[in-house]
Amino acid sequence: KNEVEQSPQNLTAQEGEFITINCSYSVGISALHWLQQHPGGGIVSLFMLSSGKKKHGRLIATINIQEKHSSLHITASHPRDSAVYICAVGDTDKLIFGTGTRLQVFP
Amino acid sequence: EPEVTQTPSHQVTQMGQEVILRCVPISNHLYFYWYRQILGQKVEFLVSFYNNEISEKSEIFDDQFSVERPDGSNFTLKIRSTKLEDSAMYFCASSALTRSTDTQYFGPGTRLTVL
Repeated sequence: KNEVEQSPQNLTAQEGEFITINCSYSVGISALHWLQQHPGGGIVSLFMLSSGKKKHGRLIATINIQEKHSSLHITASHPRDSAVYICAVGDTDKLIFGTGTRLQVFP
Repeated sequence: EPEVTQTPSHQVTQMGQEVILRCVPISNHLYFYWYRQILGQKVEFLVSFYNNEISEKSEIFDDQFSVERPDGSNFTLKIRSTKLEDSAMYFCASSALTRSTDTQYFGPGTRLTVL
């Protein structure tokens, strides 16, 4: 059974700061997903990674398959980045979710 | 941009009643999923559906749950006899290609409240 751990659970930052959220998992996977959950509850897919690094705007996601670890970075954070960021690992037909990191960015 | 839609946005029901949650996945997608999130907890997988049959289900998805794609566009989750602990946000998702290695697109969710 795959366990997905995220850290930190809560994160506050000042606008403009560089943010890092970490995810580790226990068993080999087919892919790792980073998702954003807005305060209203909606879930948006940010990245799907099976190796290396991906960048989209101010967001960067990396994965180290050997160490079973992934990071999500946000550069030049902004209050609109405030949300819960969720790591999920792909396991056959399903995603196994971490508990999420609640990020608050203050002006 | 195509999106997954879900109805209703909020459903209130009495314990023991049947509920049907509806989803319209993105039209050319082949894989469909239901997840749930109990308030304050993490998102949990319920079931995946491909080629008109369940491809995988979790321990949560017991005999009280069923899924159906009745008309080629809708994808429904039925809970036969609701319990208090079924109160949660239910998310439908779809993906175009293979299962967990493809991006999944989530609907806005249905908040189910069982009284």
